[in-house]
Amino acid sequence: EADIYQTPRYLVIGTGKKITLECSQTMGHDKMYWYQQDPGMELHLIHYSYGVNSTEKGDLSSESTVSRIRTEHFPLTLESARPSHTSQYLCASEPRPRGPYTEAFFGQGTRLTVV
Amino acid sequence: AQTVTQSQPEMSVQEAETVTLSCTYDTSESDYYLFWYKQPPSRQMILVIRQEAYKQQNATENRFSVNFQKAAKSFSLKISDSQLGDAAMYFCAYRTPRGGGADGLTFGKGTHLIIQP
Repeated sequence: EADIYQTPRYLVIGTGKKITLECSQTMGHDKMYWYQQDPGMELHLIHYSYGVNSTEKGDLSSESTVSRIRTEHFPLTLESARPSHTSQYLCASEPRPRGPYTEAFFGQGTRLTVV
Repeated sequence: AQTVTQSQPEMSVQEAETVTLSCTYDTSESDYYLFWYKQPPSRQMILVIRQEAYKQQNATENRFSVNFQKAAKSFSLKISDSQLGDAAMYFCAYRTPRGGGADGLTFGKGTHLIIQP
């Protein structure tokens, strides 16, 4: 299995709470991503980063924010959780391409439920 | 914008049989990559197979092979000798080499593959 870890795996939290979803990888990858996955739906890119101090918004608009202070760490924060944020969040990383593109490595995901 | 369509929400196959999962995509790019990812229940998504658009030869990985039809923008996955461990969600995904715009993979909605013992 790939060395990319997400915590917590499952989280049930009340409306209005601030939450941070953790993602860490030990592969030294420059690129990291956050995808949102609703049940029975495709994954949508919500944030990505090319390296330290680099963050960009993805295709799907999200109220979450991310930071990239260290190469290995790419946390996602929701300042005030709402039921509409209930979803599964997947973190992924990729090595810097030195030839043909290889693959993205995914964490196990965090299933967030806001009540 | 690129789109990926998987028209089979669920497929079922008998163990040891062969199954084909369908995927079509839409892009104006000529150079890109296509992937099939497998997501077992409560486990990490892992790469099954990848195909570079500039290669005419279909990719194969042991029991997994693809039928890549560039003109038709079709990319199906064939699983031979299905095993119980193949049961999972399978996602077709697309990516351009340079990322372009919002970087990352574009996914289909997935196909839930059930293996009947």
